[in-house]
Order: sequence, then structure tokens, then C-alpha cells
Amino acid sequence: KAGVTQTPRYLIKTRGQQVTLSCSPISGHRSVSWYQQTPGQGLQFLFEYFSETQRNKGNFPGRFSGRQFSNSRSEMNVSTLELGDSALYLCASRPYRALTDTQYFGPGTRLTVL
Amino acid sequence: KNEVEQSPQNLTAQEGEFITINCSYSVGISALHWLQQHPGGGIVSLFMLSSGKKKHGRLIATINIQEKHSSLHITASHPRDSAVYICAVEGTNTGNQFYFGTGTSLTVIP
Repeated sequence: KAGVTQTPRYLIKTRGQQVTLSCSPISGHRSVSWYQQTPGQGLQFLFEYFSETQRNKGNFPGRFSGRQFSNSRSEMNVSTLELGDSALYLCASRPYRALTDTQYFGPGTRLTVL
Repeated sequence: KNEVEQSPQNLTAQEGEFITINCSYSVGISALHWLQQHPGGGIVSLFMLSSGKKKHGRLIATINIQEKHSSLHITASHPRDSAVYICAVEGTNTGNQFYFGTGTSLTVIP
């Protein structure tokens, strides 16, 4: 099976712009989670989608949003970009939300905000 | 206040040494994860634990739910084990939100 894919891999934006990142989970996986990783804050949970519904959300402002499509692909959007949004954005998928499910991570999208 | 604390932050070992990384957490959890991140960013999930102990090759992970503590052991360490190891927990009180430790940077010297 193909792994989790994320596009684009690298992105440069300027302050005030918006950005959309895409994540394609492993075939058959219905849960997709998004994470932000920065040198200062480490890994932080953004949100989780399961069957097109947001099931959980971390402590991020409303500028961060996401959605999941019927084929389980997910997108996250960041509006009105700030310098502090520069980070590695990772998504991970798993089959369901059961306790026995491990997560499979994508390679990440490295976003730089100038 | 950090929900997940890891120690040590940095660790240098000689090849062949036995390594232990510790993780303590303060929230109720449904599962604890150990992740490995190599330079360049890719993250691999090593273990997911809700109780007891798991072993995979030279890696062993244990969890003590009562003490809210987990350990990751690497036996016969090898330079290819050099990576950042991250402990993460899924909190039960917050609908399975993930909390992460700050990671342990391991360098294994040949």
C-alpha cells in the first residue's frame, strides 16, 4: 500500500496570505489527524477528522481549519498567515479511532512565512 | 504546565549500550505512543501502548498506568538508532486529543 502523502512538500508564503495543505491517507484509513511542529513548541495537535467530521480540535486559533472529503483525503487551511505559522505540518492516518490503531505519518509540508 | 514530560532531553551513547528514555504524563489517557523522528522530519510510530509491555526487535516499551509512566528501551544500540524519540499520549478527558513530549535526541557513536 502507498503511504500517507502530503502536498506540497515545501511552500513559501508571505504574511497575510492564506494556504491550503493536502493529505492523502493510506487507502482504507478513515481517520486523519493534523499536527504542527516548530522548534520552539515541538509537536502540537491541530485536529482530527473521521468520516468527514471533525472529531477533536487542539488549541489553535480559528485561522486554522480543515476538512475531510468522502474519499478520506483531508485539507487544512490557514488564513491570514503570521510569521509564527512557519512550521512543519504533518498529517497522520489510521484505519479507525480504535485504541488498537497506530498512526502512520506523512512526510510533512514545510511552510515558511516571510 | 506540560502534560507530558520526557527525560533525558539529550542522550549520547556508545554503540552497543542499553538505552532508556522515560516519559511521565499527568492526564488520563487512552493510549501512549512512542514516535521516532529522523533528521529531515519523517516520523515513524514505534509503539502504541495502553497497558503492559511491547517488544519489537531491539526496542521495548513499557507503561505503568498507575504511576503514569512509560519507558522506551533500546538494547544493543546502533548508530542507525540516532534520532529524536517522542512520547505522545491520547487524553481521555479531551476526546483523545494528543499531547506530546519535547523529545529525546539520541546520538549513538560507533
